[in-house]
Amino acid sequence: AQSVTQLDSQVPVFEEAPVELRCNYSSSVSVYLFWYVQYPNQGLQLLLKYLSGSTLVESINGFEAEFNKSQTSFHLRKPSVHISDTAEYFCAVSAINSGNTPLVFGKGTRLSVIA
Amino acid sequence: DAGVIQSPRHEVTEMGQEVTLRCKPISGHDYLFWYRQTMMRGLELLIYFNNNVPIDDSGMPEDRFSAKMPNASFSTLKIQPSEPRDSAVYFCASRTGARTGELFFGEGSRLTVL
Repeated sequence: AQSVTQLDSQVPVFEEAPVELRCNYSSSVSVYLFWYVQYPNQGLQLLLKYLSGSTLVESINGFEAEFNKSQTSFHLRKPSVHISDTAEYFCAVSAINSGNTPLVFGKGTRLSVIA
Repeated sequence: DAGVIQSPRHEVTEMGQEVTLRCKPISGHDYLFWYRQTMMRGLELLIYFNNNVPIDDSGMPEDRFSAKMPNASFSTLKIQPSEPRDSAVYFCASRTGARTGELFFGEGSRLTVL
């Protein structure tokens, strides 16, 4: 089985400062990795995903995440945050050869951007 | 496409009453998931369907919870009788059969049981 640990439940950061949201996973098999974002009063939506190839993946709004197999991590970073990035961020994992079992989500990290 | 549609968006009810939450997945999606989100437990998978068939309901908290998917375009999650600890936001999500496919969430149904 897979599991996901998001080490920080809340991360406050000033506008235009960099941010890193940490995600570690546990799995005995190879995995796909995802970051989802939940804006206030909305459902989750996909931010970015790692399936294969380059270990650095990027989103359209400036976030990036790097898959590190040796450290079993998939941390999310942004060099300069905006007020509009305030949201909850969920890391998720799916085993590659597990049929169609559902994503396993972490408990989420609430990012608060302060003006 | 309209996305995943859930109703009602908000429900306030009294303990002991029956609650029915509804979901219309995106057309063509083979999988449908029901999640519950609370501050204490985060996002929990309750049950999921593939081609209208329940595959895993091990996340359903107890017999008071039931879910159905009578056709490819409609699913319900029912709580009977409801209790205050059922208060949460319930999300429906759907995706295609590809495991690398994106999971699309509805906007959720916020349930408050008094």
